[in-house]
Amino acid sequence: DARVTQTPRHKVTEMGQEVTMRCQPILGHNTVFWYRQTMMQGLELLAYFRNRAPLDDSGMPKDRFSAEMPDATLATLKIQPSEPRDSAVYFCASGSGTNTGELFFGEGSRLTVL
Amino acid sequence: QKEVEQNSGPLSVPEGAIASLNCTYSDRGSQSFFWYRQYSGKSPELIMSIYSNGDKEDGRFTAQLNKASQYVSLLIRDSQPSDSATYLCAVISDQGAQKLVFGQGTRLTINP
Repeated sequence: DARVTQTPRHKVTEMGQEVTMRCQPILGHNTVFWYRQTMMQGLELLAYFRNRAPLDDSGMPKDRFSAEMPDATLATLKIQPSEPRDSAVYFCASGSGTNTGELFFGEGSRLTVL
Repeated sequence: QKEVEQNSGPLSVPEGAIASLNCTYSDRGSQSFFWYRQYSGKSPELIMSIYSNGDKEDGRFTAQLNKASQYVSLLIRDSQPSDSATYLCAVISDQGAQKLVFGQGTRLTINP
């Protein structure tokens, strides 16, 4: 059963701490998206990779967020230092390059920054 | 102006009726359009895609696209309580990296 795997599922941390979220895309998928979801803003695109190369990270606060794909089976999203306003559910989604709109989402990482 | 706009609802529809969900987008060059469903506490899942003007039917779901009006809609026939969820409209921009942008979502409740 192919699926996108995200860890951790839940994270509670204190302001100023580093947070790393990980995503394993579906085997064979070559596009990976990171989204953040809050009640106020909905689903916001943070970063997007195709064949491991970053294509768009314009939605990501550059001073504290970073996204990487060290290999085809792992994508990471790092926040350093974290702030209370970063509290949200972070989703990773993957897809095949033929249609970047047909995505499979992971279960999400719920982050709470105190 | 947001790239993709939806009425956030909530939209309440009696069981068995037709639910109509609407979406407008700002990028006239957009070519690909999607509807995702998100149950409370769960992740979004793709239910429909549409690329050409007109209607596309899949079971009880019909997606409608009007590029001239920059308008996408989703109709759910014979609505069931299990259809209660938030419906997200998503559009691929024709510019830049072809990123998938979501609307705010419309919360739909089907009343038995």
